[in-house]
Formats: sequence, structure tokens, C-alpha cells
Amino acid sequence: AQSVTQLDSHVSVSEGTPVLLRCNYSSSYSPSLFWYVQHPNKGLQLLLKYTSAATLVKGINGFEAEFKKSETSFHLTKPSAHMSDAAEYFCVVSDPNTGNQFYFGTGTSLTVIP
Amino acid sequence: DTAVSQTPKYLVTQMGNDKSIKCEQNLGHDTMYWYKQDSKKFLKIMFSYNNKELIINETVPNRFSPKSPDKAHLNLHINSLELGDSAVYFCASSPPGAPRNYGYTFGSGTRLTVV
Repeated sequence: AQSVTQLDSHVSVSEGTPVLLRCNYSSSYSPSLFWYVQHPNKGLQLLLKYTSAATLVKGINGFEAEFKKSETSFHLTKPSAHMSDAAEYFCVVSDPNTGNQFYFGTGTSLTVIP
Repeated sequence: DTAVSQTPKYLVTQMGNDKSIKCEQNLGHDTMYWYKQDSKKFLKIMFSYNNKELIINETVPNRFSPKSPDKAHLNLHINSLELGDSAVYFCASSPPGAPRNYGYTFGSGTRLTVV
């Protein structure tokens, strides 16, 4: 079975400071992992994905995430937060057993304080 | 050009009514999905179609019926709407091959409010 846990439901950072959104997964096999962002009243946009290539994945808007198998983690980071980063972020896991099904975390709401 | 488009964007209707939400993708993807996002932002898959064939049908009341006239369209019809159906419904699509390699492309959502 696979599941994904986002450890923080809300994160607040000041503009210009680093962002860390935490995600842990459980999967019986080598998973694919994704981060999606949802801005208010918008659809979900793919930020980045890990599909068994490089463990450090760079995405759009300066975000990156590192796949750590030993820690079963895929935390999302950004060196310096912008006001426009305020949104809901979803960690998603998929593995070969359920090739067409994604499992979403419960989301982390990021607030950026001016 | 909008890749995955849903209509309507907002839908307010009374209990007991029947309504439809339409989804179209112009990406040439083979697989399309319907997800429901509840008031706590939790996303849960409802249905998945691959080349017009149903491949995932999660535990969803049979008042919900998906229809895929062709692989570019996946519509969602809901009969006898209930208050608990209020949510944001997202359509998504993925290209041929395992979606785990590519991810999904999502529409912008349909906010359904049942009063």
C-alpha cells in the first residue's frame, strides 16, 4: 500500500526567508513523487517530479525537492520565499502497482508574510 | 490555449437537481480523471477513463455517472444532488504510458454548491 503524509497543514514564512514543506511517503516499491501547487481558486499545477532519476529535482519558480529513500521523504524547499508563493501545496505518490492512480497528501497551506 | 478545460467554473443548484460538468483536453492524452476536493482541500479520485473505457471507479454513489464520448472528453453527470456533493471537482489528464512518469495536467476546477 502507498500513502503520503504532509507533516504540516500550515506553514508561515517571511518574504525572503527559506521555505521547507515536508512530505513523507510509504510505498512498497520505488515510487514516483510529485509536488503540485494550487493557488487560490485555481487548478493544480505541477511543480516538480521524481521518477527514479536524479534524487535532487529542480522545479519551476525556484523550488526543488530531494528524494531520500532512507528517510522515505520528499521535502520541498525554496531558498527565498516570494509573496506569490502563497498557496496550497500537495505532495503526491504513485508506484508501479497503481500506475494510473495518484495518492494525494492532505496539503500544506503556505503563507508568506511581507 | 487551455490544455484541460472544465465548464462551468461555478455551479450553484438546489438539492434534488441533476447537473453535468464537462471536461475537454487538447493535449492528445489517453487517460482522463475526475477528482473531488472537499472543504478541507483533500483530493480523492472518483473515476478514470483510458481511451473511453472506465478503468478506475472508486466508491462513489451511483448518482455520479461519468461519460466519455471520445478520448478528449470526460463529462460528469450527477443525479439528485445532495448537500454533501458540494465540493470542487477537478478534471485531469495524462499522456500515454504510465502517468507516474509524467504527472497529470489538471483543469481549473468546478466549484459546485448545493443549496
